[in-house]
Amino acid sequence: DTAVSQTPKYLVTQMGNDKSIKCEQNLGHDTMYWYKQDSKKFLKIMFSYNNKELIINETVPNRFSPKSPDKAHLNLHINSLELGDSAVYFCASSPRDRDGGIQYFGAGTRLSVL
Amino acid sequence: AQSVTQLGSHVSVSEGALVLLRCNYSSSVPPYLFWYVQYPNQGLQLLLKYTSAATLVKGINGFEAEFKKSETSFHLTKPSAHMSDAAEYFCAVSKREGAQKLVFGQGTRLTINP
Repeated sequence: DTAVSQTPKYLVTQMGNDKSIKCEQNLGHDTMYWYKQDSKKFLKIMFSYNNKELIINETVPNRFSPKSPDKAHLNLHINSLELGDSAVYFCASSPRDRDGGIQYFGAGTRLSVL
Repeated sequence: AQSVTQLGSHVSVSEGALVLLRCNYSSSVPPYLFWYVQYPNQGLQLLLKYTSAATLVKGINGFEAEFKKSETSFHLTKPSAHMSDAAEYFCAVSKREGAQKLVFGQGTRLTINP
């Protein structure tokens, strides 16, 4: 069983569209994250939720809206997609305050905005 | 604020040679430190972590790293490189308490020459 799973793996869309990326973890962790990896491979935190509560919001445009229906799921909705949103988006989870802060990553969603 | 600097965006070694990937960090509080590996078109996999125990940390696939507080370094080494080690390597730092976002270095691409 995949511990942190993201869907879809690839997403190709036009500028101006709205799209969602889903993430699910079956590790029983309390905390989930979204990271963005740009074309130069640089990874940066976007959001973090702890047990459905937003705890990190790193100056991400309002077009990005995370939603956590329960602590095992953290979805990312993006409105009015722009060319600069093209990137690989990684979901991660961790057992907050245990396990030395290790985060477990999904395989990523490669978003291409045309 | 925390930050990570990885010296060398690209390192190339011969198969069987020593691998040394450099990482320096900046943190106002005692940090957790991590090395993650990313194989092509895959997510991030934890290689090893430093939390607060031994300063020499052993990880998977024969890698190890030494935490040196005086030098604010956490360099990654492997005595003998294997072709399968070719990948992108990321050093990361997080706080020990509170919202534990990972702050990543820019990554080092490791190439292994036959």
